[in-house]
Amino acid sequence: NAGVTQTPKFQVLKTGQSMTLQCAQDMNHNSMYWYRQDPGMGLRLIYYSASEGTTDKGEVPNGYNVSRLNKREFSLRLESAAPSQTSVYFCASSETTGELFFGEGSRLTVL
Amino acid sequence: LAKTTQPISMDSYEGQEVNITCSHNNIATNDYITWYQQFPSQGPRFIIQGYKTKVTNEVASLFIPADRKSSTLSLPRVSLSDTAVYYCLVDSSYKLIFGSGTRLLVRP
Repeated sequence: NAGVTQTPKFQVLKTGQSMTLQCAQDMNHNSMYWYRQDPGMGLRLIYYSASEGTTDKGEVPNGYNVSRLNKREFSLRLESAAPSQTSVYFCASSETTGELFFGEGSRLTVL
Repeated sequence: LAKTTQPISMDSYEGQEVNITCSHNNIATNDYITWYQQFPSQGPRFIIQGYKTKVTNEVASLFIPADRKSSTLSLPRVSLSDTAVYYCLVDSSYKLIFGSGTRLLVRP
C-alpha cells in the first residue's frame, strides 16, 4: 500500500521554466491538498480539492494552478517558476476533515 | 487571524512527560482538534484527534477542557526520537491551515 506518492522527488528549474508536480493516492480518499514548506517554516496551503471535480484556493495560490484529474490524482503546476517558489511541496489526502495523509515531499529549487 | 497559538519551542529530557498546549479561542462548534508530528525532511504524520474531554491512543493523549478554547497534547515518557515539530489544527472544513507548530527537543 503506497499511500500518497509524489513525483518528482527533486527538481531544479531555471527562472521562467514551467513544471508539474504529480500526486497520486491509493486510499480512495475524496479530498486532496497541496502544501509548501520553506526551510524552518510551517506548512502553507496552496490549493485543495474537497472532492473530485472541485478545486479551491488556499493561503498562497498565486503562481500555481492545479488539476484534479480524477479521484486518485491531483497535480500542481508552476507556469513560470520564480526563485520565491523554491520550497518543499507536500501533497496530502484525506477521507474526513482533519486526518491528512502526506506524501514524502518534492524538493524544488528555482535558480 | 491565526486559528491556533502554540509555544514556539519546548525542551525536555528522555523519560519525562511532555505537555504541549494549543490555544484556539475562536473554535467553532463543529471544529475538531487534530495534532500532527513532523520530522525533518518528512511530511507531517497524524497523531491524535478529538472533539471534547479526553482521547488516548497508543502514542499520546489529548485533553480538551469543557470550553474547548485550548487543548493539550500529552506525550508520556518521551525519547530522543520524539524530537520533532508538533502542529495543532482546529477545523471542520476542508481548508486545513497549519499554524507555526511547536519545536520539541528531547535531550538525553
